[in-house]
Formats: sequence, C-alpha cells, structure tokens
Amino acid sequence: EVQLLESGGGLVQPGGSLRLSCAASGFTFRSYAMTWVRQAPGKGLEWVSAISGSGEYTYYADSEAGRFTISRDNSKNILYLQKNSLGADDTAVYYCARVAGSGWSWIFDYWGQGTLATVSS
Amino acid sequence: QSALTQPPSASGSPGQSVTISCTGTSSDVGGYNYVSWFQQHPGKAPRLMIYEVKKRPSGVPDRFSGSKSGNTASLTVSGLQAEDEADYYCSSYADSSTFVFGTGTKVTVL
Repeated sequence: EVQLLESGGGLVQPGGSLRLSCAASGFTFRSYAMTWVRQAPGKGLEWVSAISGSGEYTYYADSEAGRFTISRDNSKNILYLQKNSLGADDTAVYYCARVAGSGWSWIFDYWGQGTLATVSS
Repeated sequence: QSALTQPPSASGSPGQSVTISCTGTSSDVGGYNYVSWFQQHPGKAPRLMIYEVKKRPSGVPDRFSGSKSGNTASLTVSGLQAEDEADYYCSSYADSSTFVFGTGTKVTVL
C-alpha cells in the first residue's frame, strides 16, 4: 500500500525557516518523481515544486522560483521541502504527492494527509 | 502562470448530472492532453479522479468523465450522489515545466 506521511509543520515565526519531510513507503521511491502542493486556509490548491526520481531535475512554480528548495534522499525514501524567510502568505497545509505518468504527463496519483505550517508571531 | 478558471460553484439534485468547466490557455490546457481532476472533501487530501483529460484511475466510478475542447476542459459527474458533494480542482501541465491548478469548484448536491 502506498503511503505518504508529511511532517515538519507547526508554528513558525515570520522570517523563520521551514523544512518539511515526506516519508514514503509501499513503492519503489527512486522510480517516481514527487511533488509538493500547498493550500492556504480556505483557499485552493497551489502547485509548489517537483523533483525527478533521481533528484537530478527540479521544477518550481514561477512565483516560488528561488524561494523554495526541493530535495530527496532515495536511501531513506524521504522527500523534503525547504524555505527560508517565511511570510504570513506561506501559512498553508503542505501536501506531498507521488507523480506517476511518463514524460510531461504528471499524474499526482497518491497524496499524503498534509502538514499545516502556520507563520505567525 | 495564472490559475485555470473554474466556476466557484455548481449544484444538482441526486441522480442528475453536473458539468464543471476549466478554462486555460494554449500554454496549458489547450497545449497538452495532460489535464487532471481532483476531488477534495473538507479536511481531506485531494483524490485523483481523472487524468490525461479522460482516463479514470482504478476505483473511480464511471459516473465521472472528462473531456476537452480547445483551451477548456470539463468534468461531468452523472447520477449525482450525496458523497459527490465536495470541492473539485482541475489541473494541467504547462509550458516551461510547470504545473497549474484551477481555482476550484464547490459542488453541492441539493
């Protein structure tokens, strides 16, 4: 059974840093690209970033280029998302998802339950 | 990359059909057959309902169907059931190796 479990959310001070983790199990982690999607309270889904199975290629939303860093450790089956200099608009539930499909057919087929990061003093 | 445009709400009575539109541009919806649809119940993670415009993952009822014409994709839910009441989001691969979601549609079963 595919399982994705995010962690690392919580209360963060404005200007602080965020490092989220997504522990994967039930599939061959290195064979799949992975992605992060966030959802601000009461708002819609926003794609943040994706990374290839090997970790060689990374992709970011135009609005977030240079602000987020996505990475993965295929020896531990963990996906990461790092961001510094947080602002109130970074308050959101952050979801990780597995990316199936080939080429540019990005199919987000399995999702974690999400982790809430709240940026507030 | 701007969000794809969806109507804020849609509704139908049990057994009826509802169709949700998703309008983008030639740089996303119109340029690729990589449109997906997700269902999200309150407090839950999104669930993939349709991928590559009209394909259904295993376990998704055939009451859910997808289509595309030009820069607009559509999701139709036939034979509405109470459990179909949820938020629905479209998404598409877009130019420059990015991905974009729609603004979301709240479906109400009357």
